[in-house]
Amino acid sequence: QQQVKQSPQSLIVQKGGISIINCAYENTAFDYFPWYQQFPGKGPALLIAIRPDVSEKKEGRFTISFNKSAKQFSLHIMDSQPGDSATYFCAASGNTGKLIFGQGTTLQVKP
Amino acid sequence: DAMVIQNPRYQVTQFGKPVTLSCSQTLNHNVMYWYQQKSSQAPKLLFHYYDKDFNNEADTPDNFQSRRPNTSFCFLDIRSPGLGDAAMYLCATSSDWVTNEKLFFGSGTQLSVL
Repeated sequence: QQQVKQSPQSLIVQKGGISIINCAYENTAFDYFPWYQQFPGKGPALLIAIRPDVSEKKEGRFTISFNKSAKQFSLHIMDSQPGDSATYFCAASGNTGKLIFGQGTTLQVKP
Repeated sequence: DAMVIQNPRYQVTQFGKPVTLSCSQTLNHNVMYWYQQKSSQAPKLLFHYYDKDFNNEADTPDNFQSRRPNTSFCFLDIRSPGLGDAAMYLCATSSDWVTNEKLFFGSGTQLSVL
């Protein structure tokens, strides 16, 4: 019940396309859902996050869509660029404070 | 203006030889974390400090220890590294454990065990 399931494992998108990464959770006590971006040889960096009181949050080209009833959330990267090529982790946390990470998605944006 | 600094960037040790990894932060955050990340896997939480209070994850091997002498510094000690301990070790900080918002990661130390 503590798991966060992320898909796909890898994704190839053409420059200018939309990248979509999905995550699902089971623990209804989760109330914070961040996405982290990690470049090779670097630590993860917070990209965008959402709480369950809203269904969507947008920051620039990055949008989180949140479906509380389905217990799913997704990251959409609009106008994907080669510089977006990285590994993306979704995560979730609740009142225990512990951040539970998804398995990660390696995104490659082709020029 | 790096905020979470890890040293060294790369560390090579021998099987069974103790090794210490260090982390410092300029954010004055209460919480400091150590994560282990193996290739193509998600970061795995080893333990965290809330101020001086140490919190060990249940599945963290006894081989891993940590020290936090002050707010700014935290160390990861691996007493007898095995081949399976080769990984990237990430230090992170946050201002609050419960809300967990804005976890700041360092660039990591890549540990090799020969």
